Amino acid sequence: GENVEQHPSTLSVQEGDSAVIKCTYSDSASNYFPWYKQELGKRPQLIIDIRSNVGEKKDQRIAVTLNKTAKHFSLHITETQPEDSAVYFCAAVGGGGNKLTFGTGTQLKVEL
Amino acid sequence: GAGVSQSPSNKVTEKGKDVELRCDPISGHTALYWYRQSLGQGLEFLIYFQGNSAPDKSGLPSDRFSAERTGGSVSTLTIQRTQQEDSAVYLCASSPHQGAKIGNTIYFGEGSWLTVV
Repeated sequence: GENVEQHPSTLSVQEGDSAVIKCTYSDSASNYFPWYKQELGKRPQLIIDIRSNVGEKKDQRIAVTLNKTAKHFSLHITETQPEDSAVYFCAAVGGGGNKLTFGTGTQLKVEL
Repeated sequence: GAGVSQSPSNKVTEKGKDVELRCDPISGHTALYWYRQSLGQGLEFLIYFQGNSAPDKSGLPSDRFSAERTGGSVSTLTIQRTQQEDSAVYLCASSPHQGAKIGNTIYFGEGSWLTVV
């Protein structure tokens, strides 16, 4: 089955700096890669996703890149703000199935 | 409804008791997922329902766990003879037809916080 690894587990940045979170996946047939943000005690919420036919996608301060050859994808947050502080999860859907396999999460802290 | 609804939001139960957790997906969503999240941990897949197809139960951790989905809508996750290690947040999610397989967004509920004492 699919295996998703996520790094780093914790990330601390200064307000206004950029943050990058990286994930790798194992199933070369995986075709959908969403990113979820989870604030303390809240539900995971989709912030951006990318499909396998696209290499990059941007939405305001958030961007995701996908390298299918290397089987890795990354989340980029620019001009970070305190409200970006949360746990971020990457995920992948294997080509043969329908379930999301999640990474282990990155605790992002944006410091003033 | 406007979102995925789960109940109860919090449940404290004694070790050895059975518990039922309910999920009401977004109206019209045919795909339904259950995930488990232990404190400070990631999301662990439990089970997936799609329409009238046989569910994908590959994530259920033991035969004490079962789930059903009646009428293609509401789902119930049942944990029998609960153990302390079952303490976690149980998250339900739903998605439009064929779910994540074709890139449909998966929407999560707020979760049911289960504590086994």
